[in-house]
Amino acid sequence: EAGVTQSPTHLIKTRGQQATLRCSPISGHTSVYWYQQALGLGLQFLLWYDEGEERNRGNFPPRFSGRQFPNYSSELNVNALELEDSALYLCASSPGRKTQYFGPGTRLLVL
Amino acid sequence: AQSVTQLGSHVSVSEGALVLLRCNYSSSVPPYLFWYVQYPNQGLQLLLKYTSAATLVKGINGFEAEFKKSETSFHLTKPSAHMSDAAEYFCAVSAEQMNYGGSQGNLIFGKGTKLSVKP
Repeated sequence: EAGVTQSPTHLIKTRGQQATLRCSPISGHTSVYWYQQALGLGLQFLLWYDEGEERNRGNFPPRFSGRQFPNYSSELNVNALELEDSALYLCASSPGRKTQYFGPGTRLLVL
Repeated sequence: AQSVTQLGSHVSVSEGALVLLRCNYSSSVPPYLFWYVQYPNQGLQLLLKYTSAATLVKGINGFEAEFKKSETSFHLTKPSAHMSDAAEYFCAVSAEQMNYGGSQGNLIFGKGTKLSVKP
């Protein structure tokens, strides 16, 4: 069974640009979660999507947004990039229980 | 509100020695608890989970953890460390989303413990 996949693996942007990160959940999983792992800040919850709707968001500004598509894949958009947005962005999927399975992450570097 | 505290940001053991990584949680509802491992430049891999069944949970790679409600702890152990166990370990509790039936939620992570294994 294929795991959670994320693309791209690495992304380099400059300040003020927009970044789009993508996630495909494990087949049959309807929930997708996004987390940010920034140096020194640990793993922080960003967004949770289930059945195409945003269910909850963490303590991040509105320039962090996303969506979930009918096939349950998801996209995370970060607008007006700032240097401190440089981090590993992890996507996880869940089959509706509490166990989340993580993808390999997208490493975003903002110059 | 839930929270997780991992004692010790770095733990170093010799190969073959006992591994003990500490995790204490705070939760106003019966918690679901997890241990994940992260190897360098990779995502998180689930090691084991506690979901209110047996208090002693066995996971992959010889790891196990014991849920102790009286101590609000969920420490991770392995009897004999291997070099391949060197990684960062995260304890997490599942946040209850009371506005969504309390059945799903994001994870709240501890700050992680980096395990080094000396030959």
